[in-house]
Amino acid sequence: DAKTTQPNSMESNEEEPVHLPCNHSTISGTDYIHWYRQLPSQGPEYVIHGLTSNVNNRMASLAIAEDRKSSTLILHRATLRDAAVYYCILRDVNNNDMRFGAGTRLTVKP
Amino acid sequence: NAGVTQTPKFQVLKTGQSMTLQCAQDMNHEYMSWYRQDPGMGLRLIHYSVGAGITDQGEVPNGYNVSRSTTEDFPLRLLSAAPSQTSVYFCASSQGWGNQPQHFGDGTRLSIL
Repeated sequence: DAKTTQPNSMESNEEEPVHLPCNHSTISGTDYIHWYRQLPSQGPEYVIHGLTSNVNNRMASLAIAEDRKSSTLILHRATLRDAAVYYCILRDVNNNDMRFGAGTRLTVKP
Repeated sequence: NAGVTQTPKFQVLKTGQSMTLQCAQDMNHEYMSWYRQDPGMGLRLIHYSVGAGITDQGEVPNGYNVSRSTTEDFPLRLLSAAPSQTSVYFCASSQGWGNQPQHFGDGTRLSIL
């Protein structure tokens, strides 16, 4: 079973920020928080990952709660091309235990 | 830089046939994995490898074999195809586990009649 919990779906308007939540209450000290997204008929695409501190890259920002039991992926200005299924995954530094849940399907409205 | 390349993109098999799904990466990654994705679900790990000559089972390994003779290639073999193996198969590579992103191929869509 996946170790994370995400809403099944979310909607956003184009050019508005999007906050995608993820709960991972059983996270261990050696788990990194990863986010991937999957566009239709494509393989998952890496978005961002972090351990304890908030992270920014060209695609998104990752906000990690102080107790690390939840995180939020932030898309600063959603575009139509951001419509995808977003997966929040815990990835242990010591093994390949990387379990995907059903993810959050993001719909972006023009 | 091609990244992770999977072939074929589509395949239809009859029950009982065997075939090999190919995966190649040009990023010199030691870690490679095979996943399957069934409709409406997330990915499930089939087999993985941490380097040439080293493989291990994932969550759903039954009915599949793998080998890793080179760093670049990680083929997945279906020994005797069954309709339950109808799925989309993804290969991925990375430089390590938790602190490294995984790079995925575009998948092989396999139908077994």
